[in-house]
Amino acid sequence: DAKTTQPPSMDCAEGRAANLPCNHSTISGNEYVYWYRQIHSQGPQYIIHGLKNNETNEMASLIITEDRKSSTLILPHATLRDTAVYYCIAEPTSGAGSYQLTFGKGTKLSVIP
Amino acid sequence: DSGVTQTPKHLITATGQRVTLRCSPRSGDLSVYWYQQSLDQGLQFLIQYYNGEERAKGNILERFSAQQFPDLHSELNLSSLELGDSALYFCASGRFSAGELFFGEGSRLTVL
Repeated sequence: DAKTTQPPSMDCAEGRAANLPCNHSTISGNEYVYWYRQIHSQGPQYIIHGLKNNETNEMASLIITEDRKSSTLILPHATLRDTAVYYCIAEPTSGAGSYQLTFGKGTKLSVIP
Repeated sequence: DSGVTQTPKHLITATGQRVTLRCSPRSGDLSVYWYQQSLDQGLQFLIQYYNGEERAKGNILERFSAQQFPDLHSELNLSSLELGDSALYFCASGRFSAGELFFGEGSRLTVL
């Protein structure tokens, strides 16, 4: 699986967009980019995933560069409840139905009032 | 609420003892995953079961074992416990064809 690199921490003002970058320069063609977050020792929560097209859901948007070597998770209007550790994971599609998500250290996002 | 239920939420035990952690997956999910999260190691994948069969193994110690029962709930057995086994143990469930996993709230194990 491709290694991902994320900044250890970021701050964002409440109500502003939070843009969390992730570098995955060694990603291979069959690897999706997944984003999860973990709020203070709770179970990780799935946010979004994508392969090469930009994706949006009710929680966030995922922008993947054309060369797929990096991506950005966008929380459009950050709230205090978005304070969490955000994990970017590159994971291959699995015909065997096995997804051993490899969590790195992630980015600690602090949303500031 | 992810729909994944883990029990117990907290467990305190002594070195050398054995404990069992239980997980009930979301309705309809056939896959169950176990993860360990300790302060120094982060989230580590331990093992996955799919419809009762072991599907993938990660960094699981030989002292640890798991199984998935016909009703799809899973148990993680930890034996000969050591201080270093103190951690949060998460269970997650998912569908066959997606990497969207749903995690439970975890079982916090403290070994004294």
